[in-house]
Amino acid sequence: GAVVSQHPSRVICKSGTSVKIECRSLDFQATTMFWYRQFPKQSLMLMATSNEGSKATYEQGVEKDKFLINHASLTLSTLTVTSAHPEDSSFYICSARDRQEIRNSPLHFGNGTRLTVT
Amino acid sequence: GEDVEQSLFLSVREGDSSVINCTYTDSSSTYLYWYKQEPGAGLQLLTYIFSNMDMKQDQRLTVLLNKKDKHLSLRIADTQTGDSAIYFCAESYGSSNTGKLIFGQGTTLQVKP
Repeated sequence: GAVVSQHPSRVICKSGTSVKIECRSLDFQATTMFWYRQFPKQSLMLMATSNEGSKATYEQGVEKDKFLINHASLTLSTLTVTSAHPEDSSFYICSARDRQEIRNSPLHFGNGTRLTVT
Repeated sequence: GEDVEQSLFLSVREGDSSVINCTYTDSSSTYLYWYKQEPGAGLQLLTYIFSNMDMKQDQRLTVLLNKKDKHLSLRIADTQTGDSAIYFCAESYGSSNTGKLIFGQGTTLQVKP
């Protein structure tokens, strides 16, 4: 089945630094990828939609200058958390849909990245 | 706005059936999904159902959809300890092909031996 690889799986960084998270579709091409954030014991909240070759679409309340998204190819999207603060500590999960699949076909999720900002 | 609600916790004994319930608000959703999340891991797609279906069965999993009441359920037959996880119900965002999903808050399933 379709595999989405997310890297790193876990990162600890100091406050004020930037962290880049990669999301790759391994055996399919994805024109659209989605970035979600999950707080402990809570549901997933969509942060932004990453579109290959164009600007990302951010959900209301998500700071685009803080969460930089780049979707440079059909198999890679990156999320950069800039000037990270402890409140950015969370579990970030990406998802992608195979461009060959039909409308509203299921999303394939990565294994997530646990970010801890000290 | 759109909302998905689930009960937070369910405890069953190994071998029993588990039924996890979900209600949603967006009647234009074309697909509804069930995902499983084990501790520290991402989401694993379990099954999904198209909105014009009433039921879908896949091995131990049975999904029932009551579109009139906007109610979705997931039944796991012969529940095993390996089924212990958080189960998320999700609906597609409207009828357009945005690919966005709206998730419920997740139901923690505890399976006792």
